[in-house]
Amino acid sequence: DAKTTQPPSMDCAEGRAANLPCNHSTISGNEYVYWYRQIHSQGPQYIIHGLKNNETNEMASLIITEDRKSSTLILPHATLRDTAVYYCIVRVYGSSNTGKLIFGQGTTLQVKP
Amino acid sequence: NAGVMQNPRHLVRRRGQEARLRCSPMKGHSHVYWYRQLPEEGLKFMVYLQKENIIDESGMPKERFSAEFPKEGPSILRIQQVVRGDSAAYFCASSPRQGASGANVLTFGAGSRLTVL
Repeated sequence: DAKTTQPPSMDCAEGRAANLPCNHSTISGNEYVYWYRQIHSQGPQYIIHGLKNNETNEMASLIITEDRKSSTLILPHATLRDTAVYYCIVRVYGSSNTGKLIFGQGTTLQVKP
Repeated sequence: NAGVMQNPRHLVRRRGQEARLRCSPMKGHSHVYWYRQLPEEGLKFMVYLQKENIIDESGMPKERFSAEFPKEGPSILRIQQVVRGDSAAYFCASSPRQGASGANVLTFGAGSRLTVL
């Protein structure tokens, strides 16, 4: 699996956009980029995923660079409840692997009033 | 849809006892994954199961830990002769049957917190 690099921590003002970067320079062509978050002591929560194109859902937007070596998760209007550890994971799924996700250390996002 | 259900949410055991953690996947999901999170640490993959089969147990400790996902009923993570180092949050995730290719979105439960006295 491709390794990911994320900053250990970030701050964001409430109401502003939170932009969380992720570097995955060794990603291969069939690997997806997933973002999950874990709010303190809760189970990880799926946010969004993408392969090549930018994606948007009700929670966030995912911007993947053209060379796919990095991506950015955007929370458009961060709230205090978005304070969490955010994980960027790259993973291929196919007949030769089990689809498990390997979590790194993630980025601790602190949303401040 | 009730989501991934784990029970018990909290379990206290004394050293040497057995712990059984249960996980009911989301309706229609046939893949189950177990993860462990030690205090102040990250999530570590333990095991991946499909109905009646262990597919990947590369993250399971070699002794005292076992997992099953029977044809009927929930998946069970069993820890025999617990020690204090087993105190952790154990999370279960499920995903639907996959096609030949595509993303694999895991849905996680709220976790079971084991405390070993």
